[in-house]
Amino acid sequence: IQLTQSPSFLSASVGDRVTITCRASQGISSYLAWYQQKPGKAPKLLIYAASTMQSGVPSRFSGSGSGTEFTLTISSLQPEDFATYYCQQLNSYPYSFGQGTKLEIK
Amino acid sequence: EVQLVESGGDLVQPGGSLRLSCAASGFTFNSYVMSWVRQAPGKGLEWVSAISGSGGTTFYADSVKGRFTISRDNSENTLYLQMNSLTAEDTAIYYCAKAAYYYDSSGYYPFGGRGTLVTVSS
Repeated sequence: IQLTQSPSFLSASVGDRVTITCRASQGISSYLAWYQQKPGKAPKLLIYAASTMQSGVPSRFSGSGSGTEFTLTISSLQPEDFATYYCQQLNSYPYSFGQGTKLEIK
Repeated sequence: EVQLVESGGDLVQPGGSLRLSCAASGFTFNSYVMSWVRQAPGKGLEWVSAISGSGGTTFYADSVKGRFTISRDNSENTLYLQMNSLTAEDTAIYYCAKAAYYYDSSGYYPFGGRGTLVTVSS
């Protein structure tokens, strides 16, 4: 299953609302996770089951979608949110990741 | 606290072999699916392999099938990845990861903190 994220690069300012989209090449129900990765660090789980927030993740992060189209929304960007974001499908093996969306400061 | 510590990465020649290890602590190791995820320098994440809690079921990415073998020692709380017939395309940081919850479709939390670097080059 191929996952395509858009955009691949996103420039935004602190306080902005941003949305990242992940499209699957076939239906994956709600078996989608979102991760945040900062340079030199391991990825961190933000959301699983498309819309369930992992414990400890700030409420400004939210996920939605099912089937083939999913979104990750950050309601009000904070300085620590500038990072690369990945989606992952866990509907069927082999699991796969999207190519990533790099969120940069404008 | 859940901890995953990878080791075993090294510089290896094309065609060579390497075994990675991931020492786990802070949770009931045999209750969770464990996985390997890799990241080539400057590139995105690539799912590599997963193994059930008992070790009886394994899964592989097409890119490594037939060359890599995932295994686990539940008595030692350790995950392994045996890598054979290595090529330059296998150069990456390799992270081990624990299923976030008791079902393997719950995402991965956490990943190993540092990963281990495998470099395939002559």
